[in-house]
Amino acid sequence: SSELTQDPAVSVALGQTVKITCQGDNLRSYSATWYQQKPGQAPVLVAFGQNLRPSGIPDRFSGSSSGTTASLTITGALAEDEADYYCSSRDTSIDFVVLFGGGTKLTVL
Amino acid sequence: QVLLQESGPGLVKPSQTLSLTCTVSGVSITTGSYYWTWIRQPAGKALEWIGHVYARGGTKYSPSLKSRVTISLDPSKSQFSLNVTSVTAADTALYFCARGLASRTPTFEAWGQGTLVAVSS
Repeated sequence: SSELTQDPAVSVALGQTVKITCQGDNLRSYSATWYQQKPGQAPVLVAFGQNLRPSGIPDRFSGSSSGTTASLTITGALAEDEADYYCSSRDTSIDFVVLFGGGTKLTVL
Repeated sequence: QVLLQESGPGLVKPSQTLSLTCTVSGVSITTGSYYWTWIRQPAGKALEWIGHVYARGGTKYSPSLKSRVTISLDPSKSQFSLNVTSVTAADTALYFCARGLASRTPTFEAWGQGTLVAVSS
């Protein structure tokens, strides 16, 4: 079965751009979905599909994909963007199996 | 606006059954292209999908938990539930319920706040 791999930690200077990546063989076939989770809170959907965002999510968040790598880009990071970010997708097996990456801790300096 | 709220015991003894309920408000749980999902997160660790039940019936479970997990709908109460049998300390986690959109890629667009379950004697 597939798995999704994320860097454990990434940092970005305030106002700069950061790309958080997610790697997995299944990403050739299925797009990734991205969640933001702040301490003590439930995850929040921030990007899905072909660079789509739920209503209320700022347009500084954007998703993209190339080959086996999906990316979440934050353009002009704010202090409030400091959080854990998880990618998710599905396995390529016939059955519907949901995968989560190990998460990336984003620090805004 | 859909709202989800988990409820259930915060402490379960080893080898017993963990039972949680998610109460949904704002929408019907039997209509639309949605699935109702359980996800858990051990302290300091990543999210783990447990499984889900479709609004129109049918279930899917994580292969690693499939032998111990049951998820079901109770439309009369606008709830769906999770049962995990034969629990061990490894089942200690924050348990979330969520609504998934029936799309090519799983997309969880509404979440409960989570409920902490500890497995201990």
